[in-house]
Amino acid sequence: GDSVTQMEGPVTLSEEAFLTINCTYTATGYPSLFWYVQYPGEGLQLLLKATKADDKGSNKGFEATYRKETTSFHLEKGSVQVSDSAVYFCALSGGYNKLIFGAGTRLAVHP
Amino acid sequence: DGGITQSPKYLFRKEGQNVTLSCEQNLNHDAMYWYRQDPGQGLRLIYYSHIVNDFQKGDIAEGYSVSREKKESFPLTVTSAQKNPTAFYLCASIPYSTGGLNEQFFGPGTRLTVL
Repeated sequence: GDSVTQMEGPVTLSEEAFLTINCTYTATGYPSLFWYVQYPGEGLQLLLKATKADDKGSNKGFEATYRKETTSFHLEKGSVQVSDSAVYFCALSGGYNKLIFGAGTRLAVHP
Repeated sequence: DGGITQSPKYLFRKEGQNVTLSCEQNLNHDAMYWYRQDPGQGLRLIYYSHIVNDFQKGDIAEGYSVSREKKESFPLTVTSAQKNPTAFYLCASIPYSTGGLNEQFFGPGTRLTVL
């Protein structure tokens, strides 16, 4: 079945460091891909998405490119801030609009 | 403001009791979903509904029940048959006719603790 694999956390960075969180997927067909962010005690918020191969999603300095050849959707940011500390989830759209989530990666950014 | 509301934010339950979690949306979305989140894990789908008076089991439906009597409401009941109900519960919705292109919108969640 469809699945999403994310790099294990926590990821600990200093402010202004470069961020990469790896995400790979297994899916039949051509799913849409998403990155969601969850701040402590809250629900999930969409960070960015890509709906077809080679699309690049971007938002708030974060970027991810839909790579069909490597079945990947890695999240990157050039310079992280303390306020980026959160849990990041990679997800793909399964049948019936269902989302399939990765386990999440916790990011901690220190001043 | 349009959005999804969940109540209560925190809920405590004694063992053996049923409890109902509320989820309401005013986005006019057709489809609604319930997820369970455990520490250090991703979200797992409990139930989903695409239209009023119809719903389907997700991956971990045992010990849970739902109803969809109104388009804007999708309450989840955690029954005494659920062996390990302590978790964070998230409700989400999406306009149904999206072909998987659009994102799900999430509520703020309810943290359920069994005492």
